Formats: sequence, C-alpha cells, structure tokens
Amino acid sequence: GAGVSQTPSNKVTEKGKYVELRCDPISGHTALYWYRQSLGQGPEFLIYFQGTGAADDSGLPNDRFFAVRPEGSVSTLKIQRTERGDSAVYLCASRQTGGEGYTFGSGTRLTVV
Amino acid sequence: GQQVMQIPQYQHVQEGEDFTTYCNSSTTLSNIQWYKQRPGGHPVFLIQLVKSGEVKKQKRLTFQFGEAKKNSSLHITATQTTDVGTYFCAGPYYNQGGKLIFGQGTELSVKP
Repeated sequence: GAGVSQTPSNKVTEKGKYVELRCDPISGHTALYWYRQSLGQGPEFLIYFQGTGAADDSGLPNDRFFAVRPEGSVSTLKIQRTERGDSAVYLCASRQTGGEGYTFGSGTRLTVV
Repeated sequence: GQQVMQIPQYQHVQEGEDFTTYCNSSTTLSNIQWYKQRPGGHPVFLIQLVKSGEVKKQKRLTFQFGEAKKNSSLHITATQTTDVGTYFCAGPYYNQGGKLIFGQGTELSVKP
C-alpha cells in the first residue's frame, strides 16, 4: 500500500483481556518496527523484524507481549492479560533496507479500563 | 544504557520568531534522524544527517550534526503556525542497523 496501515485505530478493552494489534507495512519494506508512545514521551522501542524473524525483541516489557510476522509482511502485536499500564499509542513503522528514516503508521490507541 | 536527550521540553513562540531544539546523545552516533509529530498525529520523518559537522536545510528548517557526532540541533527561522508539533531526534541503538532510540521531544507551540 501507499503507507503503513494500522488497525484498529482505537481499542478499548477491559483489564485482563487479550488484544491483537495489526500492522500492514509498505510493500517491499523488509524492516518492521513496533514502538509504544505514552503522552508527552518519545516512541519507546518494543520489537524489530527483519523479514519474518524478530531481529531484536529486547524492548518487549514482559512475556505478556508477543509479536509475529509470519510471511514477512503483515505483523501482529499480541498482548495477553492486559493491564491499565499497557494503555498507550502503539506505533508501527517500516523501512526499506538501506533506506533513510522510518515510515510510521497512524497508530493504535489502546485503552485498558 | 544509551540515552538521547532533548531540550527544551516545551517552547512557546510568537509567530515569526525563531526556534531551536537541541539533541544530545550519550554515545557517538553513526547518524541522527529528525521527526515531526503534529498534535494527534504520528511521527513523520524529516531528515537524516550522517557526516560530522553536516548541515542540511529544508526551506526554513536548518539541521546540524555536531563535530563529535553526539549532538544535533534543529533551527526554524520565522516560525509559522504550521510548524506546531513535537520534534523528535533519534539515533540508532549503539549504531546497530536496527532500532532507533528517540529523545523525549520538544513541543513547539506558535501563537499567531
């Protein structure tokens, strides 16, 4: 597609529930990144994929968070047993190998109540 | 660990005034990138600087990369209301090819 697409744009869930956030990167971009942004803060790294494999998942806060990219394009960020502290905007970005700069999606605003 | 810091956190200017935000890294960077995030929006890539002492211009925006490649600045001449937003600098984590470490941003507001 023309840009990075993220769905849903907003998600309200109850504490303890499971959520999935989807990212559809720019076609041909092999690198895909998930970031989390809280109000008034810069994006905080979660995980990075190069192709299908997670090249770096050091930013995932704990084992409730998991992400996949099975075919090297669309990625899903999965959060189990959501907590109120998980509330944030989850941003996905993609980049062409060797390219400059990330292209971010519009994000998913997750609210855990 | 590696840190990227920006000052100031907020800047309020009158339209037509100049604006500068400063970015400092705890480690030497292979490159530095700048992003702009409009209120309610997502970060949008502005520019990447690679060389020591590099200066790049985009219309009223001037970007500099320090000689030691540990600091950078963004200067906007004669601000306009369209410049409103948060400006982030970001550097690659220990110069590995993957993730970026973002500063906390400088939020610019412009009074018409």
